[in-house]
Amino acid sequence: NAGVTQTPKFRILKIGQSMTLQCAQDMNHNYMYWYRQDPGMGLKLIYYSVGAGITDKGEVPNGYNVSRSTTEDFPLRLELAAPSQTSVYFCASSPTSGGANEQFFGPGTRLTVL
Amino acid sequence: DAKTTQPNSMESNEEEPVHLPCNHSTISGTDYIHWYRQLPSQGPEYVIHGLTSNVNNRMASLAIAEDRKSSTLILHRATLRDAAVYYCILRLKTNTGTASKLTFGTGTRLQVTL
Repeated sequence: NAGVTQTPKFRILKIGQSMTLQCAQDMNHNYMYWYRQDPGMGLKLIYYSVGAGITDKGEVPNGYNVSRSTTEDFPLRLELAAPSQTSVYFCASSPTSGGANEQFFGPGTRLTVL
Repeated sequence: DAKTTQPNSMESNEEEPVHLPCNHSTISGTDYIHWYRQLPSQGPEYVIHGLTSNVNNRMASLAIAEDRKSSTLILHRATLRDAAVYYCILRLKTNTGTASKLTFGTGTRLQVTL
């Protein structure tokens, strides 16, 4: 199993540009999550999904959109990039809900907006 | 949401045990206590979790106070590869109750020296 994969690893955007961060998992997990991590801080939840076709907002959803057309893929879209979106983005998945289940994280995408 | 409090940093010598404390005085009865760690330039990695009883796995042990208001992650023999930021997290349901998010603080940065 590859686990959770993310592309690209690094990206530099200009203000106002748009891009899609890709996330895929091959563990047949229903639950998927997007987090961002600013320098020296913990992770904050952007969006999550409980299955194909179902998504919901997390703590910091403004400026982002998501879709979940398949179990495997959960892309994150930035429509109008702003410097405040400079961060490291992590995708994660878990098999079910519930407090006893661990989340599996991808390696992250480092995004810089200039 | 219940919060956790951890020391900002700790140091350990290699091959010695490490005890990483976490306070969670407002924990609710159904909150699981999770520990994740983040190695430099990587995504978070699950370490261990528990509810009421002490837990052991191949990576670490988790000691939970009887009143559940605090816990301690124990690395039995620290190695250089254990140098990371360790996060103590209460595994909560989201507001909709359909997924269980992780709320990250700033964690404890563990330095391991020879």
